Parts: sequence; C-alpha cells; structure tokens
Amino acid sequence: GQQLNQSPQSMFIQEGEDVSMNCTSSSIFNTWLWYKQDPGEGPVLLIALYKAGELTSNGRLTAQFGITRKDSFLNISASIPSDVGIYFCAGSKETSGSRLTFGEGTQLTVNP
Amino acid sequence: GAGVSQSPRYKVAKRGQDVALRCDPISGHVSLFWYQQALGQGPEFLTYFQNEAQLDKSGLPSDRFFAERPEGSVSTLKIQRTQQEDSAVYLCASSTRGGLLSGNTIYFGEGSWLTVV
Repeated sequence: GQQLNQSPQSMFIQEGEDVSMNCTSSSIFNTWLWYKQDPGEGPVLLIALYKAGELTSNGRLTAQFGITRKDSFLNISASIPSDVGIYFCAGSKETSGSRLTFGEGTQLTVNP
Repeated sequence: GAGVSQSPRYKVAKRGQDVALRCDPISGHVSLFWYQQALGQGPEFLTYFQNEAQLDKSGLPSDRFFAERPEGSVSTLKIQRTQQEDSAVYLCASSTRGGLLSGNTIYFGEGSWLTVV
C-alpha cells in the first residue's frame, strides 16, 4: 500500500486565492515530485525536488523538500480556473529505476 | 506522437476474461514502468523494466498479472481471469537511463481504463 499521507484531500477556493498542500511520510525519500492529473489523462510533472531543504519554483508553483526528507509541500499562488485538477505528491528512494510512491491526491476546485 | 502511447484507452471485460494492455514508450527510453490507479487513489507501482529485463515485479498483485517487454521497447501488461477488483486505470511510464537524481523525468501515458463487469 501507499506510504505517503497527502492533505487536504480536497479544496474549494476562489480564483485568485493561494493554495497550500502537503505530503508526509514515515520513511525517507531521496527525491520528491509533484504531479497534476486532469480527468482522463496521465499525471504530468510540475516540480521535482532533489535535495533536503530545497525550495523550487515553477511559475506560480513553489515546492519544498523537507529537511527530514520525510515531507514536502506545494504552494500555488493566485489560482486560476485551469489549476483545477488532482495534485499528487510522489517520492522516490532511487531503487528500481526510480520507482515512485504516490500520495492519495488533493482534488482542487477553483471557482471563477 | 512524441509521448507515451497506451492502447486500448478503454476496455470493458467480462469477469474471467483475459485482457492485454499495450504501452509504446517514448523512443529511446530505457526504463518502463506500469502503475495501477484505482478510482480516487494515487497510482501504485506494479512493475519496472530496464530494456527487456524485468528488474522489479514486486507490485504485481497476483500471479494473474504478467508483464513483458521482449525487445526492450513496447510492453504488454496481461491480466488473466479478470476480477472486478482489477477495475482501474493502468498507467505506463517511461524515462531515459539513470535515476531521478540524474535529472531524468518520468513521463506518463494517458492510461488504459479497465472495467470488469
């Protein structure tokens, strides 16, 4: 079963608001990734984090790799309607060719 | 196209029927993964290939699940005697040689949606 605890499970926000979601684990991961999945599509990579403490931005998205290597968060600033979707965190221990362990996802709804 | 291609996109199978799901990875990608995604859940790892070698099949839920990649490119995931709990989206992903720490990205296909009735 999955080892990553992702919260919140769902969020309903107004356009323009900032969003924060996080992921925690009972074990250490060497790489943390954040993906977005639209209905009927596969996950698409948003941000990859490679070092403990690393803070990385991609446009309006910012993510951090926790110091303990057991957590990560994703922030979305000034949300827009196209941000709607399911966001997944994923961790890799660099075994089995970078096999990923996923969280259960955060369903984001943005009201115009 | 340039992405990971999966077929069929949708499959309805009667319980007990065998199914085969195909994955065409991005050209030149050495690593290939299969994941299972149940409704409302995150993807769960099934198996991993490096070229034609299946290096990890620890995620396959039972011996009814079998994957192969005989020539190191196209892969097939076969499910025998399907059961209702097999209903899920089956995602294929590929990446170049080397782990994520080398800066490689894992690209996912759109998935094959399997419904067992």
